[in-house]
Amino acid sequence: EIVLTQSPGTLSLSPGERATLSCRASQSVSSSYLAWYQQKPGQAPRLLIYDTSTRATGIPDRFSGSGSATDFTLTISRLEPGDFAVYYCHHYGSSPFTFGRGTKLEIK
Amino acid sequence: EPHLVESGGGLVQPGGSLRLSCAASGFMFSIYGMSWVRQTPGKGLEWVSGLSGSDSSTSYADSVKGRFTISRDISKNTLYLQMNSLRAEDTAIYFCAKLLSYGFGPVDYWGRGTLVTVSS
Repeated sequence: EIVLTQSPGTLSLSPGERATLSCRASQSVSSSYLAWYQQKPGQAPRLLIYDTSTRATGIPDRFSGSGSATDFTLTISRLEPGDFAVYYCHHYGSSPFTFGRGTKLEIK
Repeated sequence: EPHLVESGGGLVQPGGSLRLSCAASGFMFSIYGMSWVRQTPGKGLEWVSGLSGSDSSTSYADSVKGRFTISRDISKNTLYLQMNSLRAEDTAIYFCAKLLSYGFGPVDYWGRGTLVTVSS
């Protein structure tokens, strides 16, 4: 199975700053089938990005995804207070599908 | 808008069985892919199983293969997860998930989850 390694484990930033989250796969992700989710405490995850760079419905353009093969990035251009949460990457290119262990984005 | 409601969680002894149900509404259940995803505080999100809406093929995480079975009843708009030979490490919140595509793919809607606790 493909193991997804997210870094950093915790990222401390201030509102207005730019956040860059990394997701590295142990094998190439076929057809760039990689997604990003945001999860806040007590809530189910929310889909942000799929197919590496396509924003899900209703997601602001402050969120962008990029990458290919084994290296993927989620960028949040200008952090707002509601962006502080845990972010997960997820590949769905070849079974079994897996999630990364998450990056916690906290307020500095 | 899609709505998913899980049920069937609870406390079960190691080696026991449990069947989770997910009542779906607000979308064409028969054509979309569906999945079960679980979450524990220590391990984050774990994809458990998926069912393709396009050809009804199924897929499982290595950790549950041979023990869990995913299925659906289109007439009842319900997704199931039959869990046998349960282990302590299966303890988690189990989410029912609708996939964005007809086959396998990312999750665009989630239920609120049902807690499964495996303990003696």
